[in-house]
Amino acid sequence: SAVISQKPSRDICQRGTSLTIQCQVDSQVTMMFWYRQQPGQSLTLIATANQGSEATYESGFVIDKFPISRPNLTFSTLTVSNMSPEDSSIYLCSVSTPYEQYFGPGTRLTVT
Amino acid sequence: GENVEQHPSTLSVQEGDSAVIKCTYSDSASNYFPWYKQELGKRPQLIIDIRSNVGEKKDQRIAVTLNKTAKHFSLHITETQPEDSAVYFCAASETSGSRLTFGEGTQLTVNP
Repeated sequence: SAVISQKPSRDICQRGTSLTIQCQVDSQVTMMFWYRQQPGQSLTLIATANQGSEATYESGFVIDKFPISRPNLTFSTLTVSNMSPEDSSIYLCSVSTPYEQYFGPGTRLTVT
Repeated sequence: GENVEQHPSTLSVQEGDSAVIKCTYSDSASNYFPWYKQELGKRPQLIIDIRSNVGEKKDQRIAVTLNKTAKHFSLHITETQPEDSAVYFCAASETSGSRLTFGEGTQLTVNP
């Protein structure tokens, strides 16, 4: 299994600011993903974080709003830029092994 | 892209009864179908998964069936217990290591 940690666990931010979320895994993994879970909703994939290259974004998500870094096989960051109240969500990173995908504990973001 | 539909959105059963949640998917390239349980305020946890070369898989009180021709799969929980109460998500992907598309979730309530 993979042990995943995220920082911060929660934050309250002002409209127009940016927040960077960190995801750390205890072992090297090839695939890392970032999901968003809006209140009471399902999980939606934001992007696949590729090590050493640009992230692959899903429809409706753009790099300027959600820049992602993946400097190595155990770490990734997601930045939520120029935040608005609609960005209030839980942001989860996940990693895949040959057997399953594991999720981090999530970052609960509230934008006021 | 893939589209996963999940029914019902809410399900209430009496303790000891069975619960069935159904999902359909659209992309015939999908070969991996996991089910996640998410308790309030916690991360999604994998409870069972099935791959396209298998029609049924069972793990104690939980079973999953897959009909690849009809593009649907189902979660069956027998002898339900109050601790089974949670939101359950189905998902689909090409492989266990690739991006997941989630259903909308089912809020299961098991009444003592």
